[in-house]
Order: sequence, then structure tokens, then C-alpha cells
Amino acid sequence: QSVLTQPPSASGTPGQRVTVSCSGSRSNIGGNTVNWYQQLPGTAPKLLIYRNNQRPSGVPDRFSGSKSGTSASLAISGLQSEDEADYFCAAWDDSMNAYVFGTGTKVTVL
Amino acid sequence: EVQLLESGGGLVQPGGSLRLSCAASGFTFTSYAMSWVRQAPGKGLEWVSGISGSGGSTNYAESVKGRFTISRDNAKNTLSLLMNSLTADDTAVYYCAKAMNGYSSNFYYYYIDVWGKGTTVTVS
Repeated sequence: QSVLTQPPSASGTPGQRVTVSCSGSRSNIGGNTVNWYQQLPGTAPKLLIYRNNQRPSGVPDRFSGSKSGTSASLAISGLQSEDEADYFCAAWDDSMNAYVFGTGTKVTVL
Repeated sequence: EVQLLESGGGLVQPGGSLRLSCAASGFTFTSYAMSWVRQAPGKGLEWVSGISGSGGSTNYAESVKGRFTISRDNAKNTLSLLMNSLTADDTAVYYCAKAMNGYSSNFYYYYIDVWGKGTTVTVS
């Protein structure tokens, strides 16, 4: 049902850099900005990146976002144990007139 | 501090109805679009519905169109979701969410910046 595609999982050791991709289309990522959310187990999602590459106050600069064409990426540098969570991309879809989420990626810290 | 507090979740039989509410505080409620997002057990996030700050514009996911109705009472800082004809597929945690939207450099932006803790709806 999700129109944005993410890899189901990603992993890295502490200190490594991990990237999560998000693939969409012209009607969503291609024409609008991308956002990323972090969801720790048993909690509500938290805004991590908005408008492609902006970090809300309080989000460490280890997290960064980028967008190119109809794809986007989230990078986590200097991976830490507390970064183990589910990550979702999202964007407005002009064709569906809806806010669409990615399929989600579980990041594991080895 | 911005806070969103959902209520109204519970157990309902298939075909039944339920009304969720969300009490907002800590911001100028009428100035912001609001949304409902749900998450089925063990699944990803699904945007359900959104409403403009004035309440004059609403949008729905295809999966709930015609069954769910979003509304807001700006005098009471309250967001609501009326859910009819519920099925097992509607079982989920429902989050109330505050949204930011507008235009920047010819790109439309929309993002949810604040989430409530969620209320659980079980259809069985």
C-alpha cells in the first residue's frame, strides 16, 4: 500500500555510517519535499528531518537528509546504540492528495 | 509545551462505529493543519486523514474514504475522527498529529512535526 519504497533493514557497528534510501515518483518526492521519522520501540514517531535536509531543534547533526529527483536518503554517521529504531520517509503526494509514508527501515546496531 | 492527547479508542465489533478525539494545547490550534495517522500491529505508518486550520479543507486516504470523517472544533482546540463501518483492517494505534505546510522555492512542503502518544482501536 505504501507508495514510497525503503529497504526493510540496514545495519552497522557503532561509529559507522549507515544510509537509508527512499524511492518514490514525480507525484511525491519528485515534486515535494521529503521528511524522515524515527520510531523507537513502543513509542510514537518523532520528526527527524523535514523539508529534505532540515533538522528540528534537538536532533543531533549525525542525522542528515538529501534528495535527488524521485529518491531521497537518510544518513546516520557515527552510529550509536540508541539509533536502533524504525525509520520512515514521507512526502505529500499530489496525485493522491495524501501524505504518504515509506515502507519503513529497521536499523540495527551490531 | 505542545501536547496532543488522544482519547476514544477501544474494542468495537465489525461494522460498528467509534469517535476519536484529540485535545491540543501549547500552540495556536487554528493556525495549523492537523492529521490522523495509524499504525496496524507490527506494520508501518499510514496517513488516514488531514484537515486545514480553518476546517474548510479535508483529505482522506483511499482506504477510509466514505467511512471516516475528520473534523475540528477550533473554539475547543479539539480534533475528531468519526469512524464508521469498521473492519478488522482498521485495527491500529491511531495518532493525532500537528502538521506544517506551505511553499518554499516552488516546492510544496507538508510534514507532521508533533505526534500524540496514540490511542488503540481494535475491531473484533
